[in-house]
Amino acid sequence: QSALTQPRSVSGSPGQSVTISCTGTSSDVGGYNYVSWYQQHPGKAPRLMICDVSKRPSGVPDRFSGSKSGTTASLTISGLQAEDEADYYCCSYAGSYTYVVFGGGTKLTVL
Amino acid sequence: QVQLQESGPGLVKPSQTLSLTCTVSGGSISSGGYYWSWIRQHPGKGLEWIGYIYYSGSTYYNPSLKSRVTISVDTSKNQFSLKLSSVTAADTAVYYCAREPITGTTNYFDYWGQGTLVTVSS
Repeated sequence: QSALTQPRSVSGSPGQSVTISCTGTSSDVGGYNYVSWYQQHPGKAPRLMICDVSKRPSGVPDRFSGSKSGTTASLTISGLQAEDEADYYCCSYAGSYTYVVFGGGTKLTVL
Repeated sequence: QVQLQESGPGLVKPSQTLSLTCTVSGGSISSGGYYWSWIRQHPGKGLEWIGYIYYSGSTYYNPSLKSRVTISVDTSKNQFSLKLSSVTAADTAVYYCAREPITGTTNYFDYWGQGTLVTVSS
């Protein structure tokens, strides 16, 4: 069982928006602004999409945005496109002992 | 453009030691400024951080795996390696190497290898 809780699946139609949640505790998501999100297409390496809760690395479309409230972080994808269909994982710093924890992943289906 | 590539046996027998190497290109491990991590993904499951190494050789491991993990670095070859001892079927996973920038005010993995599947079976 993963340390961070994500919905197993979400779906949306092209052009719509979807939000993926990532729930942790005060020891990880709630305690630090170090939440990152990764996109993974089948058989491919994870790709960094969001870091530090809401920062977009260079090259990531501005359709992707991140936020956090308390112990829950969220990834929102607006203007859904077919190529957004993938698995998405959240990750959080969890202190100097545990270091980092990941979510179990969410499969995004573009209908 | 930084690239990471994992290599090593795809099949390991139970109780033996899993050994993988990550070769970094497009940047030097010895330039500092980054932690070099191993992360694994069990089939159909989420990601699990295994540990990291700094170019100086300092390491930190996931407490749940610490007793079985050794990560080492060879700056002359621009590589770092993972050894996981006493493996069981539960260690069957895709193993990734990844880079983490050290800034003191952030935590994320910006470059990943393609991953290599290691199966533990007799």
